[in-house]
Amino acid sequence: EPEVTQTPSHQVTQMGQEVILRCVPISNHLYFYWYRQILGQKVEFLVSFYNNEISEKSEIFDDQFSVERPDGSNFTLKIRSTKLEDSAMYFCASMPGRWAGNQPQHFGDGTRLSIL
Amino acid sequence: AQSVTQLGSHVSVSEGALVLLRCNYSSSVPPYLFWYVQYPNQGLQLLLKYTSAATLVKGINGFEAEFKKSETSFHLTKPSAHMSDAAEYFCAVSENTDKLIFGTGTRLQVFP
Repeated sequence: EPEVTQTPSHQVTQMGQEVILRCVPISNHLYFYWYRQILGQKVEFLVSFYNNEISEKSEIFDDQFSVERPDGSNFTLKIRSTKLEDSAMYFCASMPGRWAGNQPQHFGDGTRLSIL
Repeated sequence: AQSVTQLGSHVSVSEGALVLLRCNYSSSVPPYLFWYVQYPNQGLQLLLKYTSAATLVKGINGFEAEFKKSETSFHLTKPSAHMSDAAEYFCAVSENTDKLIFGTGTRLQVFP
């Protein structure tokens, strides 16, 4: 069964450094998402992306964050200048077609980001 | 605004016992509801979804959930727990957009 792939599985970065998290969504999917889960807390929506632009973003997704689909397969999340509070598990998800309520999002295994 | 409340951050059951994980939602319109499971060091896997077709929804691994509008609930059940069911379970809701709002999760432990 096709799956969403995220790399790396664990990223350790110094505070203030830029980090790029990579995702390869399922190949025929059109909608892409990033969520994060701070240790011990709930999974939180960050951003949705469709047709090469952001569809919706949360208040967490400030100017330090950006997303990109640089080619036909990758979907990236960049954090420009990392803070300690950015330490979390970041999940990428994708969905095949236009949202109609009955299509679930397919999640990757996540990238654990640790900021030192 | 939509939200999800999962009562009980930890639930422990014996193998073979009934599993009941509680989820209550708040939504201004008929919601779409989901249960996801997260096994250790893995991503979120869809267990089942409610999309208004039927109030009792059957999912994978023997789980099911019943949508009760009057109680704004979508509790997850399984008649007989198995050791392999030990995981974290998340209830999620979406309304008019594809953004998922998750609950805080319930960690299920299964004892032999």
